[in-house]
Amino acid sequence: SQTIHQWPATLVQPVGSPLSLECTVEGTSNPNLYWYRQAAGRGLQLLFYSVGIGQISSEVPQNLSASRPQDRQFILSSKKLLLSDSGFYLCAWNSYNEQFFGPGTRLTVL
Amino acid sequence: GIQVEQSPPDLILQEGANSTLRCNFSDSVNNLQWFHQNPWGQLINLFYIPSGTKQNGRLSATTVATERYSLLYISSSQTTDSGVYFCAVDPGGGADGLTFGKGTHLIIQP
Repeated sequence: SQTIHQWPATLVQPVGSPLSLECTVEGTSNPNLYWYRQAAGRGLQLLFYSVGIGQISSEVPQNLSASRPQDRQFILSSKKLLLSDSGFYLCAWNSYNEQFFGPGTRLTVL
Repeated sequence: GIQVEQSPPDLILQEGANSTLRCNFSDSVNNLQWFHQNPWGQLINLFYIPSGTKQNGRLSATTVATERYSLLYISSSQTTDSGVYFCAVDPGGGADGLTFGKGTHLIIQP
């Protein structure tokens, strides 16, 4: 069966520091992968999606970037974090049009 | 882009009660999903239902695609049903990400 992992589970970072969040999928090949962010008390917003290695599409302009160095690995990065980057970050993958989500990373920028 | 509206925003019920959550969307969709977000933030897939009716235990869902709405029914509520219920749609096909509503916050009191 397919499994999606995210780490770290929680992260507290100072403003201006770099960021790297990792998402890995097991049990499937060439999945479509997605990064979403959930601000406190709100719904989820799509940030990036990828249909293959090195292929990244961005949905909203922001301080973040994404990369897909391997088929089942999706990374969310920032060079300098802002206070507004705080939130709950979720990775997802597609299986026959249905999306499944990882456990998420809770990021607090101080 | 497509708009997704969920109602009611908040709902407080006694254990054993039934409830209906509604999701309206502004354009035709190829994918509609219902999720339950538990207190730890995990998004649990409830239904993949771009059209028609499905049932899973005490939960059922109906999507009327021609009228652009979906309903989630919860019968004989339990305290473990508490949490936020999200409707999410994809107007395109394949790789497109999901557009989420703002959710319905459900509290089931014992």
